[in-house]
Amino acid sequence: IAGITQAPTSQILAAGRRMTLRCTQDMRHNAMYWYRQDLGLGLRLIHYSNTAGTTGKGEVPDGYSVSRANTDDFPLTLASAVPSQTSVYFCASRGTAEGTEAFFGQGTRLTVV
Amino acid sequence: AQSVAQPEDQVNVAEGNPLTVKCTYSVSGNPYLFWYVQYPNRGLQFLLKYITGDNLVKGSYGFEAEFNKSQTSFHLKKPSALVSDSALYFCAVRVGTGFQKLVFGTGTRLLVSP
Repeated sequence: IAGITQAPTSQILAAGRRMTLRCTQDMRHNAMYWYRQDLGLGLRLIHYSNTAGTTGKGEVPDGYSVSRANTDDFPLTLASAVPSQTSVYFCASRGTAEGTEAFFGQGTRLTVV
Repeated sequence: AQSVAQPEDQVNVAEGNPLTVKCTYSVSGNPYLFWYVQYPNRGLQFLLKYITGDNLVKGSYGFEAEFNKSQTSFHLKKPSALVSDSALYFCAVRVGTGFQKLVFGTGTRLLVSP
């Protein structure tokens, strides 16, 4: 089934540790996004990528980095996790046709202790 | 700043009654507007979108939304609510020209009682 796969589904992480959240899509979408979801704040954009080889910063990029080595994969790395990064993280992708909607993964629930 | 607002944290409705989940937007130019639904422990699922054309947009699961330019609103509606419609609903607007991203509202929890 076509779509977006995120891994892991959940993780408890000690503060200060490094963590990479994985995201893979098989729809050959050029645009990909990482959002975090927090109660009362909705979804906020962390980083994005227009196409393979390019990335950009969203609203809340501090403490996170991304890479886009190919079309399908868009991993999100927390270099040194802090408790404020406890959140649910969603990866999304979108095709380039005008007005197309974004497709979302199932999310990764991350708890930093 | 370009944004959407969902003024209600929660909407309660009895099964069989009509429901409305409100969304207003603030963007320059013509807006591309979206509704997504999130069930517990799941990702967001696309419901419907307004790009251009008819102001009444029909989407998945019997939902529809009406684009109102004068009121800058894009309210989600359903004529007869189901208990299974209980979920978290997000309104979003596409912003940007070279790179397009979705800006989301804070979400509205819909509770449909039997």
